Amino acid sequence: AQSVTQLGSHVSVSEGALVLLRCNYSSSVPPYLFWYVQYPNQGLQLLLKYTTGATLVKGINGFEAEFKKSETSFHLTKPSAHMSDAAEYFCAVSAWGNSGYSTLTFGKGTMLLVSP
Amino acid sequence: NAGVMQNPRHLVRRRGQEARLRCSPMKGHSHVYWYRQLPEEGLKFMVYLQKENIIDESGMPKERFSAEFPKEGPSILRIQQVVRGDSAAYFCASSLGGRERYEQYFGPGTRLTVT
Repeated sequence: AQSVTQLGSHVSVSEGALVLLRCNYSSSVPPYLFWYVQYPNQGLQLLLKYTTGATLVKGINGFEAEFKKSETSFHLTKPSAHMSDAAEYFCAVSAWGNSGYSTLTFGKGTMLLVSP
Repeated sequence: NAGVMQNPRHLVRRRGQEARLRCSPMKGHSHVYWYRQLPEEGLKFMVYLQKENIIDESGMPKERFSAEFPKEGPSILRIQQVVRGDSAAYFCASSLGGRERYEQYFGPGTRLTVT
């Protein structure tokens, strides 16, 4: 079984400041990790994903995340926040099991607030 | 290339009525997943279907809920005799098969309100 913990239901930053959204996961098998963004009344859009290979992954809109196995973390960062980044962000894990498939397990989400 | 489509976007039902939510996957995708999002909660997996088959329904309530993905047409999530606790946003996602199954594309959701 897998699980995801997102620390902080709300994170507030000023425009131009560093964005750091935290995600820790638990998985009994090597995980695939994802960050999704959800704008109000919309569906989820994939920001970035880690499957195998390079542990630092870059996504859309200037976001990146680093897979740290020893810390079981997959934190999302962006060097400089923009007003348009205000949204809810979800970390998710997908782990392949013996049955040959898996589904996504999501964290509870972090609302990013960006002030001028 | 159209994305995942869901309809209706908003659905209001009175207690005891039936709700039918539809999902058309992306072109070429044969795997469909349904998730439910309650206020202040993340998305919770409900059911995973391939064409004409339910692969995993471990997240779906045993009573009143059912899902199908027929050979032709959209996937349907059906909720019978709705109760206020069913009020939520229901999201559908689709994916390719094989090793690409992990990459899921989400629709805009159906927001169900039970009055």
